[in-house]
Amino acid sequence: DAKTTQPNSMESNEEEPVHLPCNHSTISGTDYIHWYRQLPSQGPEYVIHGLTSNVNNRMASLAIAEDRKSSTLILHRATLRDAAVYYCILLPTDSWGKLQFGAGTQVVVTP
Amino acid sequence: EAGVAQSPRYKIIEKRQSVAFWCNPISGHATLYWYQQILGQGPKLLIQFQNNGVVDDSQLPKDRFSAERLKGVDSTLKIQPAKLEDSAVYLCASSTRHLTTQYFGPGTRLLVL
Repeated sequence: DAKTTQPNSMESNEEEPVHLPCNHSTISGTDYIHWYRQLPSQGPEYVIHGLTSNVNNRMASLAIAEDRKSSTLILHRATLRDAAVYYCILLPTDSWGKLQFGAGTQVVVTP
Repeated sequence: EAGVAQSPRYKIIEKRQSVAFWCNPISGHATLYWYQQILGQGPKLLIQFQNNGVVDDSQLPKDRFSAERLKGVDSTLKIQPAKLEDSAVYLCASSTRHLTTQYFGPGTRLLVL
């Protein structure tokens, strides 16, 4: 299964953008890139996903490199509520949908 | 729309005892997942149901863990007997079908003494 690499932690000031990198050099052509986040004492929640093109939704933007070997989750204006562990996960379209979580990136937001 | 419900939220047992967790997925969701999350790690899939059939239980320790989803709606995960290393948060998730967005419940925090 394709693996992802993320920094252990990142710190940001409130109301500033946060760029969370994810490396996935062994990604295959049928792997979607999914991002979930987990707030303290809660279950993970879906953030965004994409295949080749950049994606935007109300929570974040996803920028995917042209060779698809890396991607960046962008939180445009961090709030205290965005403090969470962010997971970058590859999901093959020929799978049953099992999410393989790594350790993720702990995002700390400072007032 | 109601989210994924789980109970109990917390459970403390002694090793070698039995414990059961219950999950009620979002109405209409055909796919149900059980994940185990050990402190400091990401969740790990234990078992996945499509309606009431198992499609992936490759990481379920079948000598002590069992799960069922008899009517294709709610599900129960059981541990018998529990070991110290089973201390973790047990998360239930559901999705409309496989490969769609998964919605997670709040989890059950288990402590085995």
